[in-house]
Amino acid sequence: SQTIHQWPATLVQPVGSPLSLECTVEGTSNPNLYWYRQAAGRGLQLLFYSVGIGQISSEVPQNLSASRPQDRQFILSSKKLLLSDSGFYLCAWNTGSGYEQYFGPGTRLTVT
Amino acid sequence: GENVEQHPSTLSVQEGDSAVIKCTYSDSASNYFPWYKQELGKRPQLIIDIRSNVGEKKDQRIAVTLNKTAKHFSLHITETQPEDSAVYFCAASIWGGSQGNLIFGKGTKLSVKP
Repeated sequence: SQTIHQWPATLVQPVGSPLSLECTVEGTSNPNLYWYRQAAGRGLQLLFYSVGIGQISSEVPQNLSASRPQDRQFILSSKKLLLSDSGFYLCAWNTGSGYEQYFGPGTRLTVT
Repeated sequence: GENVEQHPSTLSVQEGDSAVIKCTYSDSASNYFPWYKQELGKRPQLIIDIRSNVGEKKDQRIAVTLNKTAKHFSLHITETQPEDSAVYFCAASIWGGSQGNLIFGKGTKLSVKP
C-alpha cells in the first residue's frame, strides 16, 4: 500500500532563516505531488504541484520554491522566511487528475 | 477556472441529528467531487467521493448527492456522533484531464453536541 511521509513534523524558525521541508511517497511510481499551506483556521491553499521529476508548477507568487529531485520526493524551500509563512504545510499525492488524492501528516511551521 | 463555494461555514447539531453541507461549482467540465474530513491538528482525510456518472453514493452514515444540472453536490451525515465534529472540505476537479487539480471549498466546521 501507499504511504506518504513528511518531515519534520514541527518546526520553529526565526524570520529570515532558510527552510527545507521534505515529502516522500512509498508504494507508487510517477505520482502527482502537491504542496498546500493551511493558515490557522483557514482553508487549503495550493502552492505547487508536480507531474514528474523536475516539473514544477507554481500556483501563487511567494518567496517559496519547490523541487522534485526524485520521482517520489518533493521538497519545499525558502531562502528567507517571513512571518506570513507560518502555517500547516501539507504534501499530497495522487496517481492522476481526478483520482483520489491523499495528504501527508503535515509540518507545522511557526516563524518567530 | 473552477470555483467552489461551500455552505455553511459553521454548523452545529445535536447528537443523533442529521447534518448537510452543500457545495456549488462553476465549471461544467468538472466530474470528480471528493469530500475530506479534517480533525483538529490532523491531515485532511478522504471520506467519500463521487463521479459525475452517478447521482448518489452512500457509505454507512455518510452520503453524497450530485446535481449536474444545477452544478451542486452535498454531503449528508445521518445519526451524527461527537466524533463527527471536524472541518469538512468539498472539492472538484476534472477526472482524466491534463489540468485537473482539486479546487477546494473553504470548509465547514461541524460541531456535534452530545
